[in-house]
Formats: sequence, C-alpha cells, structure tokens
Amino acid sequence: GESVGLHLPTLSVQEGDNSIINCAYSNSASDYFIWYKQESGKGPQFIIDIRSNMDKRQGQRVTVLLNKTVKHLSLQIAATQPGDSAVYFCAENISRATNKLIFGTGTLLAVQP
Amino acid sequence: DAGVIQSPRHEVTEMGQEVTLRCKPISGHNSLFWYRQTMMRGLELLIYFNNNVPIDDSGMPEDRFSAKMPNASFSTLKIQPSEPRDSAVYFCASSFGTRGDTQYFGPGTRLTVL
Repeated sequence: GESVGLHLPTLSVQEGDNSIINCAYSNSASDYFIWYKQESGKGPQFIIDIRSNMDKRQGQRVTVLLNKTVKHLSLQIAATQPGDSAVYFCAENISRATNKLIFGTGTLLAVQP
Repeated sequence: DAGVIQSPRHEVTEMGQEVTLRCKPISGHNSLFWYRQTMMRGLELLIYFNNNVPIDDSGMPEDRFSAKMPNASFSTLKIQPSEPRDSAVYFCASSFGTRGDTQYFGPGTRLTVL
C-alpha cells in the first residue's frame, strides 16, 4: 500500500536570491530557539540560535528574527547558494528547567541554479 | 574536533533480532539525546541523559527499547526484539549544558528491520 508521510512545506528559490523560512512555535514560555539544517543522508547541523531576550541575531549570510507576540521565528538566508538546499528545522526549548528541544516538521529549501 | 560519533552507520537486521546502536558524545558535553527520524513522524526525542542519568524517557516507544549511559563518553540504544516498524534513522546528539543549550547531532544510524 501507499505510505503516507509528512508533507514538508517547500520553498523554491533562484540561486542568488534571498530566502526566508518561517516557523510558528508552540509555547509562549519558550526562551531559546535554534535553526538546524539537514542535508540528505546527514544529521541536523546547527546554523544559528537566539534567546528570547533578543528579536534579531545575525550570522554569516543568515539572520534569525523572533517575534514573541505572535510566536513566530524566521530564518533569512542571503544570496542563496545551491549548497543551501536542505531541510531546515526550527527547534524551541520550552523551559530552562529542561534540556528538551521541540522540533518543527521542517521546510525543504530547493535552490534552482 | 571529532563531533558526535555513532556506529554502525547502517544496520540491516531481521525481525526479532536484537539491535544495539552506539554513541560517543562530544568530549566535555554533559547531556546526551537519542532521536528517531521517520517520514511519518519526523524527528522524535526518545530519551535524554544529563550527567549520565536518564532524565526523560517519555518518548521511548515501548519496553522493547532501552538506553544506557555507563559513562560520560558512551551510550547505547537497544531494541529487543526488533520489528519492521522500528526502521528509521536514529540520531544521537549531545550538548554542553543541561538546560537549554545547543544540541550537536551525530551522522545517524539507518536501521532497516526486514
């Protein structure tokens, strides 16, 4: 029979364009957020993180924005390259009393040359 | 820096057999996590340890699954007996802190149970 799997949202962009990947998180008490990149056949790789006392953090070609009012997180990738093609996950730490991360379902970024 | 090391990278076994997955966390890290990733359910936390002590095993599917961390540099995830529905990629991750810290993932073990 046909197997039913998670339907990953897909973002398709042209090489050189900027990409914006969005994530809605679940818990208003979450105080730490991470973006991971997972390439095919590999484990999730840390990209950038942000704590709840900030609303923006920049890295090399990446920026994370946090809007606590609407529980929204976004990852911006500047000048997207073919090597950026991967599944991107956001993760939230719901409480400093625990080390548990809750992962989103992921977004597939497809970069067209 | 070696990163998180997992073995084996691939495992194919028959239903009913015992499977043991191994993980070596990053040296100096105090927390270790076992995850399972499938197309159906995405990335799920099975269990995590702080300072070698299991803290939360609420994600362990059933009694067939067990995990141990005998010391700070080694952990195992065992499935006995294995079933076809256990087929998945199993990831180990570690973090330095025990509260709200970045987790670094290993390359995973792809398990196929026939």
